[in-house]
Amino acid sequence: AQSVTQLDSQVPVFEEAPVELRCNYSSSVSVYLFWYVQYPNQGLQLLLKYLSGSTLVESINGFEAEFNKSQTSFHLRKPSVHISDTAEYFCAVSDQAGTYKYIFGTGTRLKVLA
Amino acid sequence: KAGVTQTPRYLIKTRGQQVTLSCSPISGHRSVSWYQQTPGQGLQFLFEYFSETQRNKGNFPGRFSGRQFSNSRSEMNVSTLELGDSALYLCASTETSVTYEQYFGPGTRLTVT
Repeated sequence: AQSVTQLDSQVPVFEEAPVELRCNYSSSVSVYLFWYVQYPNQGLQLLLKYLSGSTLVESINGFEAEFNKSQTSFHLRKPSVHISDTAEYFCAVSDQAGTYKYIFGTGTRLKVLA
Repeated sequence: KAGVTQTPRYLIKTRGQQVTLSCSPISGHRSVSWYQQTPGQGLQFLFEYFSETQRNKGNFPGRFSGRQFSNSRSEMNVSTLELGDSALYLCASTETSVTYEQYFGPGTRLTVT
C-alpha cells in the first residue's frame, strides 16, 4: 500500500519569502499526486495535481510542484508567500492509479509571518 | 454549481449511540468518498461509493458503514460510538472522468462524550 511522508509538521516563513513544503511517497508504480490546502474550519481545496505529462505543475495562485519519479517526491513551492497563504497543506497520492482512494500525508502547517 | 454539502455540520453524541452523516455531492458527480480527520491519525480513507456500490474500503471496523442512493447522495453510519470516533468527517465527490479531482465538503464535526 502507498504511504505519504510530509517531514515538516510546521513551517514558519516571512511574508514575500520563498517556501518549499516537502512530500515523499512510497511507491514507484504509476501514481497520481495531489496537493490540497485546508483553511481553519473548512474542508480541503485542491491546489494542484499531477496525473501524467509535464513533471512541473502549477496552480492559479502561484504555487507549483514538481514530480520527481526517481526520488519519489512531489514538493510544493512558492517563490513569494502572502499572509493569506497561512493554512495547512496536505500531500496525497492515489492508492492505485485509477482509483479515488487517496492516501494523505499528515499535513504541513504553513504560517506566514508579517 | 453548488459545492459538496454535508449535514449536520456539528454533532454531539454519547458513547454507545449511533450516528448517521449525510453528504450531497456536486451535481453530476457519481463517486462519493468519505474520510476521517483526527489530530493524531490525520486524514484516513473510509470508503468510496459509485453508482450505489462500494468500490473501495479503508481499514476501519465494521461499525463504520455507508451507502449511496440513486441520486448519488451518500450517508455514513457509525454504530456503537467510541470516544475515539470523535473527528471531522469529510465527504468528497468526484466527476468520474479523467480529472481525478476530489471536491471536499466542509465536514461534519462529531464529538463523542
